[in-house]
Amino acid sequence: NAGVTQTPKFRVLKTGQSMTLLCAQDMNHEYMYWYRQDPGMGLRLIHYSVGEGTTAKGEVPDGYNVSRLKKQNFLLGLESAAPSQTSVYFCASSSTGGYNQPQHFGDGTRLSIL
Amino acid sequence: GNSVTQMEGPVTLSEEAFLTINCTYTATGYPSLFWYVQYPGEGLQLLLKATKADDKGSNKGFEATYRKETTSFHLEKGSVQVSDSAVYFCALRGSEAAGNKLTFGGGTRVLVKP
Repeated sequence: NAGVTQTPKFRVLKTGQSMTLLCAQDMNHEYMYWYRQDPGMGLRLIHYSVGEGTTAKGEVPDGYNVSRLKKQNFLLGLESAAPSQTSVYFCASSSTGGYNQPQHFGDGTRLSIL
Repeated sequence: GNSVTQMEGPVTLSEEAFLTINCTYTATGYPSLFWYVQYPGEGLQLLLKATKADDKGSNKGFEATYRKETTSFHLEKGSVQVSDSAVYFCALRGSEAAGNKLTFGGGTRVLVKP
């Protein structure tokens, strides 16, 4: 049972480069999320999706784009990477079976922008 | 808006010591409250939750009681083990939050020494 899988696990980019982070879940969850984790700041929501074909902005959406073309996948894109985007990125998913359903997290992607 | 404040770490303890991590929140309505745990190199895992006032969540020897009068959800464990070394996050889901979104505290790193 894979749960939530993130690829890649590590990546180093140069300023201005672009890349896409992939999140895949095999639990048939409707909701998916992208967070960034920075020291002392907990997790901050970047974008989220409440179903296939939908996306919405979270707390810190600037500099990122997302797409949810398939229910099981949620992609996070950086069009022009900046050093301020150096962080650990986590994807999560949850079901719609009641608003108290927990979020299930992937193991994270460590991204460094030089 | 919603916010979560938890004590800063690191918290360093000896094995079998008593652990308390304070968490207070600000939210309108009747939020649900969660504790997540992050072990080194992994994503977050749900530890326990409480959905209404005076509820007590418990799991793996950890407990937390939803105190609406003090807007708190402190995490406790009576006798910690080395394997409890991790980062602990308090989180809330506001009653009005679309998409089951969570607001996280900054995290508290706990180190248990043998």
